[in-house]
Amino acid sequence: NAGVTQTPKFQVLKTGQSMTLQCAQDMNHEYMSWYRQDPGMGLRLIHYSVGAGITDQGEVPNGYNVSRSTTEDFPLRLLSAAPSQTSVYFCASSQTTTEAFFGQGTRLTVV
Amino acid sequence: RKEVEQDPGPFNVPEGATVAFNCTYSNSASQSFFWYRQDCRKEPKLLMSVYSSGNEDGRFTAQLNRASQYISLLIRDSKLSDSATYLCVVNAAGGSYIPTFGRGTSLIVHP
Repeated sequence: NAGVTQTPKFQVLKTGQSMTLQCAQDMNHEYMSWYRQDPGMGLRLIHYSVGAGITDQGEVPNGYNVSRSTTEDFPLRLLSAAPSQTSVYFCASSQTTTEAFFGQGTRLTVV
Repeated sequence: RKEVEQDPGPFNVPEGATVAFNCTYSNSASQSFFWYRQDCRKEPKLLMSVYSSGNEDGRFTAQLNRASQYISLLIRDSKLSDSATYLCVVNAAGGSYIPTFGRGTSLIVHP
């Protein structure tokens, strides 16, 4: 009954550090996506994938990389953390016309 | 213009009130429509899907108007526990089915 598992839940980085946010789903969903949520901005799409080996940019992709080597996993990499990347990050998975299922979120602070 | 637009509110209503939220979307190829609920510092969770014929789930009624490209959510007999942010979500065809979120409407139900 895991659904979407997202780790870590909290992270503090120093400016310039890199890190990977992990996301895994066990529902065999084709579509996976990463969002960031900032106050007053709603959820903004960073990157998404429509299947293993296929990724594309969303609305706010700069400073982030993704890969999708398996159906289950969709990690998000911060290449060189900046204070502007302080945010709450959500990973989601879905099928074509079904609802999205979310991980519990990662609260990232960059100092 | 943002693809999915919502009035951010907040809507401040007394217990027992009826409140309605609207959402407009710009992509006429949109296929699937949902309302999500998000509690403070938590991940969004599906409240209900929205069907062309309209649908009801207890105190909640959702309507879709494809011609005018808007979605509505009606909450009757508001409870304190309904206080949350309500997110309008659209899955569009013709590219990807990745969910696109409105910024959310904040509802505060007071005694």
